[in-house]
Amino acid sequence: SQELEQSPQSLIVQEGKNLTINCTSSKTLYGLYWYKQKYGEGLIFLMMLQKGGEEKSHEKITAKLDEKKQQSSLHITASQPSHAGIYLCGAPSSSGYSTLTFGKGTMLLVSP
Amino acid sequence: KAGVTQTPRYLIKTRGQQVTLSCSPISGHRSVSWYQQTPGQGLQFLFEYFSETQRNKGNFPGRFSGRQFSNSRSEMNVSTLELGDSALYLCASRQGLAVNYEQYFGPGTRLTVT
Repeated sequence: SQELEQSPQSLIVQEGKNLTINCTSSKTLYGLYWYKQKYGEGLIFLMMLQKGGEEKSHEKITAKLDEKKQQSSLHITASQPSHAGIYLCGAPSSSGYSTLTFGKGTMLLVSP
Repeated sequence: KAGVTQTPRYLIKTRGQQVTLSCSPISGHRSVSWYQQTPGQGLQFLFEYFSETQRNKGNFPGRFSGRQFSNSRSEMNVSTLELGDSALYLCASRQGLAVNYEQYFGPGTRLTVT
């Protein structure tokens, strides 16, 4: 079965600093979703990447998909306290077309 | 458009009881998936419904079941609750089954089994 490993597991950055979160798959990626979750709440959809080399941006968050490396990265520019939360990557299962396997998440804290 | 809604938001049950959770997808979305989230196991897929039919099932015991109605609303049921069933149960909806459809999650139902 597919496994997604996220790094780092947790991250504390000073407000205004840039940061990157990585998500590496044990198998071929057929797409990659990024979500943000506040503790104990639902997942907020950030971005979906489908093709190798694809890059998407929303406000100060940019995500890229590297099919060859079976990896995706999420980059936040000039972090703000509102960026704090748990970032989760999810990928369609290798055998199916719709169910998602998720990484364990990266907890981001932004200090003032 | 209204987002995915789940009811109830919080629930406390006793071991051995059963529970039913409800999910209303985004209007126009025909696929509903259920996930269980725990600190130890993370997010795990339970099952997915499309057009009232279960299309995929995760590795959970038969105590976990679900259904989908003609209006795409979905319910999941857990019978004979165990302490380990305490978790955040998340529902997600998408327009269709293909991988290129974005999947949106609801706020979750926090189930505590005592």
